[in-house]
Amino acid sequence: NAGVTQTPKFQVLKTGQSMTLQCAQDMNHNSMYWYRQDPGMGLRLIYYSASEGTTDKGEVPNGYNVSRLNKREFSLRLESAAPSQTSVYFCASKERLAGGQDTQYFGPGTRLTVL
Amino acid sequence: QKEVEQNSGPLSVPEGAIASLNCTYSDRGSQSFFWYRQYSGKSPELIMFIYSNGDKEDGRFTAQLNKASQYVSLLIRDSQPSDSATYLCAVMNYGGSQGNLIFGKGTKLSVKP
Repeated sequence: NAGVTQTPKFQVLKTGQSMTLQCAQDMNHNSMYWYRQDPGMGLRLIYYSASEGTTDKGEVPNGYNVSRLNKREFSLRLESAAPSQTSVYFCASKERLAGGQDTQYFGPGTRLTVL
Repeated sequence: QKEVEQNSGPLSVPEGAIASLNCTYSDRGSQSFFWYRQYSGKSPELIMFIYSNGDKEDGRFTAQLNKASQYVSLLIRDSQPSDSATYLCAVMNYGGSQGNLIFGKGTKLSVKP
């Protein structure tokens, strides 16, 4: 059971280049999330997917697109990278805890630098 | 805009002392509250959750919730240098079709040997 996995771990892009961040979970969770984390800004939700085939915008969706390929995989695409998208990106999935409360488990993150 | 506020720190405590981390939230209807620990360069890791007023203890960690004051805290007893990390408070927001976590910006804790 690998939990939530993300690839790549590190990436450097030039302004205007595109790339896709990959996320997969093997815990059979329905809901998956993409966050970015910047110094002094905390974790901010970019997009989420409540189930296969559905996606919704979070707090900071501009400049990003997502695909929920199947129940396991949720990818984040930067079509034309900008320096403002330099950040650490975390994928997470939601699990129901004992007692009925929901929480989220995070992948290891992708450190992206846009020059 | 629903918000979660934390003192950014750094909070510095000596080894063996009690570290007290605090968090306030704006949405009075919030029901579930979480504490994540994040080591430098790593991902957030869930360490405690609480949804009833009062205290919840797990080993050296105690989470405290006061819904009337919209206040959540985390106490770490017998603090160890390995507890040095950033602690994120999160609140589950059930507005809309599903619940999403709203995070505070985190409090950096440093435990000095």
